[in-house]
Amino acid sequence: SQKIEQNSEALNIQEGKTATLTCNYTNYSPAYLQWYRQDPGRGPVFLLLIRENEKEKRKERLKVTFDTTLKQSLFHITASQPADSATYLCALDILNSGGYQKVTFGTGTKLQVIP
Amino acid sequence: ETGVTQSPTHLIKTRGQQVTLRCSSQSGHNTVSWYQQALGQGPQFIFQYYREEENGRGNFPPRFSGLQFPNYSSELNVNALELDDSALYLCASSLGARSGGSYEQYFGPGTRLTVT
Repeated sequence: SQKIEQNSEALNIQEGKTATLTCNYTNYSPAYLQWYRQDPGRGPVFLLLIRENEKEKRKERLKVTFDTTLKQSLFHITASQPADSATYLCALDILNSGGYQKVTFGTGTKLQVIP
Repeated sequence: ETGVTQSPTHLIKTRGQQVTLRCSSQSGHNTVSWYQQALGQGPQFIFQYYREEENGRGNFPPRFSGLQFPNYSSELNVNALELDDSALYLCASSLGARSGGSYEQYFGPGTRLTVT
């Protein structure tokens, strides 16, 4: 069966360190993988999208890698700040020939950056 | 803020009732997707509308239905409410694939539905 796995336990790191979050999937062939941030009681906020033929994408302090052989994406936040504390969701995009986009989300990893 | 709005913010309904949730998409976006998010879970895809037509559906029963209007705003209707329908309902707008979009989705703040 298809499955997306993110660390179910919260990740606590010290301010200034690099946070690394993992997203593993099975039985999917995604065209894209996206990362979102979600704060309590609010909708997810888009952060980064990486295509199946891309290995790495960067945006400011954020970096995403995508390994379709390992079926894994890593999401890095460098020089982490307390304001980065949130739940981070990975999402796989499955596209059909008509452009229909079905996005499947993982359960998310809660990140806590400690001052 | 994304420019995607949803109404109402909160709603309490009784089992068996019907509910309509509304979403206004971001300017320039022609695709709306609806998600259900239970506490502690990731959003679950309900369906997607592209230019007023359903463009895909997740594993939800037919009592979940939707509409998209010419201005690309959208409604989610749920009939015969069940206790398990209690969740945060999110809509997300995007510029659809057929329009050369980049697939990024912009979410609204959600509607918190409680079924008692």
